[in-house]
Amino acid sequence: GENVEQHPSTLSVQEGDSAVIKCTYSDSASNYFPWYKQELGKRPQLIIDIRSNVGEKKDQRIAVTLNKTAKHFSLHITETQPEDSAVYFCAASIGYGQNFVFGPGTRLSVLP
Amino acid sequence: EAQVTQNPRYLITVTGKKLTVTCSQNMNHEYMSWYRQDPGLGLRQIYYSMNVEVTDKGDVPEGYKVSRKEKRNFPLILESPSPNQTSLYFCASGLGQGNTEAFFGQGTRLTVV
Repeated sequence: GENVEQHPSTLSVQEGDSAVIKCTYSDSASNYFPWYKQELGKRPQLIIDIRSNVGEKKDQRIAVTLNKTAKHFSLHITETQPEDSAVYFCAASIGYGQNFVFGPGTRLSVLP
Repeated sequence: EAQVTQNPRYLITVTGKKLTVTCSQNMNHEYMSWYRQDPGLGLRQIYYSMNVEVTDKGDVPEGYKVSRKEKRNFPLILESPSPNQTSLYFCASGLGQGNTEAFFGQGTRLTVV
């Protein structure tokens, strides 16, 4: 079955710097890759997603890139702010429905 | 307000005492699922349901049961809880038509002693 790895497990950046989180997946049939943000004590919430027919997607300060050949995708956050501090999860999904396989998560800390 | 509601939010129980965690969504979503979240392991799917009376195992189904008698409800049942089921549990729902956003409940923190 699908396996999703995520790096780094923790990441600290200065406010205003960029942050990059990388994920790799094992099943070439995966075709949908969402990113979820989980603030402390809260539920995960979708922040951006990308499908396998697209190489890059951007939404204001966040962007996701996908390399199908290498089977990896990355989350890029520019001009980080303290409210970006959270745990970020990448996920991969195959076909119908939402049987996501999540990565183990990255704890991002944005230092003032 | 569109939402996924889980109850209870916190639960401490003893080994072997049957319990049910309820999940209800008001968005008429076809797809519902249960995840458990453990440190360093991310979210792992326990069971999912693609519609009423249709359920299937996820990656970690052992020790759990589910049912989907109504579209809006998807309870998680632990017949004989054990300490290794101590975890944070999330219910999620979605349209299920292709790959779309999963809406998560608030979470249930379960401790089995």
